[in-house]
Amino acid sequence: NAGVMQNPRHLVRRRGQEARLRCSPMKGHSHVYWYRQLPEEGLKFMVYLQKENIIDESGMPKERFSAEFPKEGPSILRIQQVVRGDSAAYFCASSPQGGAEAFFGQGTRLTVV
Amino acid sequence: GQNIDQPTEMTATEGAIVQINCTYQTSGFNGLFWYQQHAGEAPTFLSYNVLDGLEEKGRFSSFLSRSKGYSYLLLKELQMKDSASYLCAVRRRGSQGNLIFGKGTKLSVKP
Repeated sequence: NAGVMQNPRHLVRRRGQEARLRCSPMKGHSHVYWYRQLPEEGLKFMVYLQKENIIDESGMPKERFSAEFPKEGPSILRIQQVVRGDSAAYFCASSPQGGAEAFFGQGTRLTVV
Repeated sequence: GQNIDQPTEMTATEGAIVQINCTYQTSGFNGLFWYQQHAGEAPTFLSYNVLDGLEEKGRFSSFLSRSKGYSYLLLKELQMKDSASYLCAVRRRGSQGNLIFGKGTKLSVKP
């Protein structure tokens, strides 16, 4: 049973480009969470999704950031017009139901140059 | 609002015992988690406390006092591979499962 799969592991984008981060949850998990981790900082919640639904996006910046979890395929975190401050590690976690133990992926390290 | 505090760094000796403390202030507390994170890796689940008391799991134990807003993670018989960051995280009632993380405690185990 594969764990939470994130790709790419490393992503380099120039300022103004778009970044797409993908997350495939563990088999049987229908709840996905995205977190951002800045250097020397704790993990910060961004968004919580179930299939085809955004449940809680209270941690998402109001502009340039969006997330989806379609009926088929991985969850996508999309950052438009990236800026240097978006450089961080983005972690995805999944759980079989809300509130249960969440399993984390290896993260995508985004570098904006 | 919510606030989670834990020491930034700790050092301990191989074979010893170390206690990592975490204090929190949050409305509607609904559980506390501890995760281990090696540099550049994913956080991995260690323990979950929702009621007061001690939960033991092998070399790791976690304690919770809800009235004090306090938890600790106890690591026994330290091994070099225990060198990692230890993250304390709180779940709030009604938060639908998302967690509020502290900044983590970086533990270095020396021979």
